[in-house]
This record gives sequence, C-alpha cells and structure tokens, in this order.
Amino acid sequence: QPQLVESGGGVVHPGGSLRLSCAASGFNFKDYGMHWVRQVPGRGLEWVAIIRYNANSEYYTDSVKGRFTISRDNSKHMLYLQMNRLRSEDTAVYFCARKKGVGWFDPWGQGTLVTVSS
Amino acid sequence: EVVMTQSPATLSVSPGDRATLSCRASQSVGNNVAWYQQKPGQAPRLLMYGASTRATDTADRFSGSGSGTDFALTISGLQSEDFAVYYCQQYSNWPPYSFGQGTKLENK
Repeated sequence: QPQLVESGGGVVHPGGSLRLSCAASGFNFKDYGMHWVRQVPGRGLEWVAIIRYNANSEYYTDSVKGRFTISRDNSKHMLYLQMNRLRSEDTAVYFCARKKGVGWFDPWGQGTLVTVSS
Repeated sequence: EVVMTQSPATLSVSPGDRATLSCRASQSVGNNVAWYQQKPGQAPRLLMYGASTRATDTADRFSGSGSGTDFALTISGLQSEDFAVYYCQQYSNWPPYSFGQGTKLENK
C-alpha cells in the first residue's frame, strides 16, 4: 500500500526558513512525480509545487516562486520542500502527494503544520 | 490560470438522500477533473478521476459526470460516513493545478 509521511513542520518567525520532508513507501518512488499542496486550517486546498519523477523539472505556484524549492532523493525515497523567507500567509498544513496518471493526486500524506508567527 | 468554482458552498442533506455537487471550470479542461473527499483532521482522499472514473475503494454510490467546463459529483443513498468536504481539481492546464473552494456536505 503506498504511503507518504511528512515531517519537519513547526513554528518559525517571519523571514525564517524550514525544510519539510516526505518519506515514501509501498511504491516505486522513482517512477512518480510528486507534489506539495497546502491548506490553511479551515480553508481550501492550494497546490504549491511539483517535481518530475527524475527531478529534471519543477514548477511552483506564483506566490512561492523564488522562496521555496522542491527536491527529491530517489535513493532514499524522500521528497523535500525547502521554504525560505517565510511569510505569515505561508501558515498552513503542508501535504505531500503522489502524481498519478496525467495529474491527479493519490495518495496524500497526513500533513505537517507550518506556523509563521512572530 | 483555470479557476474552479464549486457550488453550493454547503449542502444540507439527510442520510439516504441523493446529493449532487457541482464544479465549473473557467475554461475547458476536457475530462481532466478529479474529486477528493476530506474529513476533519484528515488528508484528502481521491474519489474520482477522469471526471467519471472511480478510484480504488470508492463506493459505487459515488458517480461523476461532465466534460469541458461543467462537472458534477453525485452521491446516491448518502451514508453517515459521506458527510465531509468535497473538492474538485483540474489537471488539464498547469501550472498551476487548481482546486475548487470545496463543498461541505452536512447532515440536515
């Protein structure tokens, strides 16, 4: 059964940095694109970034371009999100998700909460 | 950017009822729409992809329809475990991938 487990969330000051991790198991990680999606508590879902299966390209939502970097280590079955210059509006639960087929998300991890506050 | 608009924001129904949730895309997305169910404190779960194909483990009381710009998720014979928030998502024109704002299905 494919499974994703995020870690690395926490409280950080505005302007600070944080690195999220997502451990994958139960499937051939190197064969799949991977996403980060975030959700402000009580609000809707916002796609953040995607990295292709072989890490040769990445795409971001406009609000995080130049501040966030998605990366992966296929040898370790790990996905990462490096978040720099964090803002209060980045406060959210961050989910990793596997790209399936031509673009749906399945499965999702349980999420990790990032709080940006002074 | 494709904007996905869901309606209604909240739908009050009773167990056993039929519920229809709508999702409209700001431009044609073909049949490249997925639906997700999210319960409080949980991650979203894939229900449907390709607008009308049930994901593994999705009960057959769930059905999806539509193409182009208008889509629907119908739940027949609502059960207590179906009360949740439902999101549509397009994967036709990206980046960015886009989600609707969600429809909350609540027990009347």
